[in-house]
Amino acid sequence: EMQLLESGGALVQPGGSLRLSCETSGFIFNNYAMSWVRQAPGLGLQWVSVISNTGNSKYYRDSVKGRFTISRDNSKNTVFLQMDSLRADDTAVYYCAKDHEAVAGTFLDSWGQGTLVTVSS
Amino acid sequence: EIVMTQSPATLSVSPGERVTLSCRASLSISTNLAWYQQKSGQAPRLLIYGASTRATGVPVRFSGRGSGTDFTLTISSLQSEDFAVYYCQQYNGWPPQYTFGQGTKLEIK
Repeated sequence: EMQLLESGGALVQPGGSLRLSCETSGFIFNNYAMSWVRQAPGLGLQWVSVISNTGNSKYYRDSVKGRFTISRDNSKNTVFLQMDSLRADDTAVYYCAKDHEAVAGTFLDSWGQGTLVTVSS
Repeated sequence: EIVMTQSPATLSVSPGERVTLSCRASLSISTNLAWYQQKSGQAPRLLIYGASTRATGVPVRFSGRGSGTDFTLTISSLQSEDFAVYYCQQYNGWPPQYTFGQGTKLEIK
């Protein structure tokens, strides 16, 4: 059974930083791209970033470019999201999700339970 | 950027009814469309990919159709566990921009 477990969410002040982690098991991690998707309170799903299976390709939505950095450690089956210069509109539950293929740009076939990031003073 | 529009925003239906949800893309996306179900307080779950292929373990009462810009998700006979929010997502663009629709909420009538 595939499992994805996010951690690192917290209350942080505007301008602050957080690093989210997603530990995975139950599949061959280095065969798949991995994504982060967020959901602001009461709103819909918003894709944030994706990293290819090797880590060589990374993509971001425009609103987080230059502030967020996605990375992965294939030896630890873990994907990360470093979030800097956080803003109030980054407040959301952040989900880690497994892409269906090694390259970015497909659909998401397994999801974690999410971790809450709250940006507020 | 491809925009995904779902309709209606909310649908009130009774258990046992047949229901069809719509999703429209602002540009042609071939059949590069997925549907997800999200129950309250839970993570999304993949239902359909390739516009019409059911994901592993998804009941046969769920079916997807469409290509190009217009897509539908049909639930043939609603069960109590199907009341949730449903999202479509396109994966046709490059560079990758996993665009979701705004969701359709199925609520009990």
